Amino acid sequence: KAGVTQTPRYLIKTRGQQVTLSCSPISGHRSVSWYQQTPGQGLQFLFEYFSETQRNKGNFPGRFSGRQFSNSRSEMNVSTLELGDSALYLCASRNLGGYTEAFFGQGTRLTVV
Amino acid sequence: AQSVSQHNHHVILSEAASLELGCNYSYGGTVNLFWYVQYPGQHLQLLLKYFSGDPLVKGIKGFEAEFIKSKFSFNLRKPSVQWSDTAEYFCAVNPEEDMGRRALTFGSGTRLQVQP
Repeated sequence: KAGVTQTPRYLIKTRGQQVTLSCSPISGHRSVSWYQQTPGQGLQFLFEYFSETQRNKGNFPGRFSGRQFSNSRSEMNVSTLELGDSALYLCASRNLGGYTEAFFGQGTRLTVV
Repeated sequence: AQSVSQHNHHVILSEAASLELGCNYSYGGTVNLFWYVQYPGQHLQLLLKYFSGDPLVKGIKGFEAEFIKSKFSFNLRKPSVQWSDTAEYFCAVNPEEDMGRRALTFGSGTRLQVQP
């Protein structure tokens, strides 16, 4: 069973640009969550999608957005990039049948220069 | 809002030493608890989880954790560490009260370095 797949693995962008990251969840998983990991702030929740609807959102500015498609794949977008957006962005998927844990992808390392 | 505290930021042990990593959370309701591990260059992997029942849970690779509700703690233990346990360990909490809120709150992590 394939795991959570995130693309691309690495990105370098310039301040002011926008970026789109992609996540393919484990087959059958309909919940996808996004997290930002930085040395200073640790792992912070961005948002969660289920059945193409955003169900939960963390405390991030509106420049951070996302969406989920009918096949459960998800994208997150960051507009007007700032240096502080440099981070590892992690995607996690869950099977919502009962009590389940989140399975994480390897992440996309975004560097803003 | 809930929070998770991991008091040990960096732990250095020799092989065969015993390990205990502390995790405390602040939340008054029912919670689901997790320990994740991140080996160098790899993705976050689940070590163990607690949802209900026996407060002593066993995970992979010989790890275990004990949920003490009165202390709001979920400490991770391993009797004898190996060099391959070198990694960063994260405690995480997911409140159960609102099933729609599937957000994990993570602690700041503990970097474990095991010396051969």
